[in-house]
Amino acid sequence: AQSVTQPDIHITVSEGASLELRCNYSYGATPYLFWYVQSPGQGLQLLLKYFSGDTLVQGIKGFEAEFKRSQSSFNLRKPSVHWSDAAEYFCAVGAVESGGGADGLTFGKGTHLIIQP
Amino acid sequence: AAGVIQSPRHLIKEKRETATLKCYPIPRHDTVYWYQQGPGQDPQFLISFYEKMQSDKGSIPDRFSAQQFSDYHSELNMSSLELGDSALYFCASRAGTGIETQYFGPGTRLLVL
Repeated sequence: AQSVTQPDIHITVSEGASLELRCNYSYGATPYLFWYVQSPGQGLQLLLKYFSGDTLVQGIKGFEAEFKRSQSSFNLRKPSVHWSDAAEYFCAVGAVESGGGADGLTFGKGTHLIIQP
Repeated sequence: AAGVIQSPRHLIKEKRETATLKCYPIPRHDTVYWYQQGPGQDPQFLISFYEKMQSDKGSIPDRFSAQQFSDYHSELNMSSLELGDSALYFCASRAGTGIETQYFGPGTRLLVL
């Protein structure tokens, strides 16, 4: 079974500073990886995804993530955060199964991002 | 662009009552997923449907059932509600079952009193 670990429950960053949110996954087959963002009481918005190919993926709102197979990681980065980036960030993994099927995503516990003025 | 629609957005029920949540996928999406997110928790996968057939099952309680209809909308039926069922219920849709992104709806917030 797949699993996702987000080691940081909370992260506080000053506005304008750089950000890196950590995500480690565990899955025996080829994973596909996502980062979602959730504002309080809101739904999940997709920031970016990795299926294959270039290991550095660009997403919306200036976010990027790098897939490192050797480290089983998919860390999210942003060079300069804005106050509006304050939210809950979830890393998720899905399976690429040869037989197809609509497998659900497995989410990490989330990282709460706090932006200091 | 059209998004996933969920109704109702908010629902308050008493213990032991039943609730029905509805999900209308993005047009031409034939796969629907249901997730439950408890307060301060990560979303947990409940169940999925592809072409009106159940495809995968997660941590869905036996008190819950779901189905997908001919127009691809889905309903999650919850019976004998318990306090612990209070959560945000998300529906997500996708085109097909291959490597495609799941797009999430805004969620239905269920409060069981």
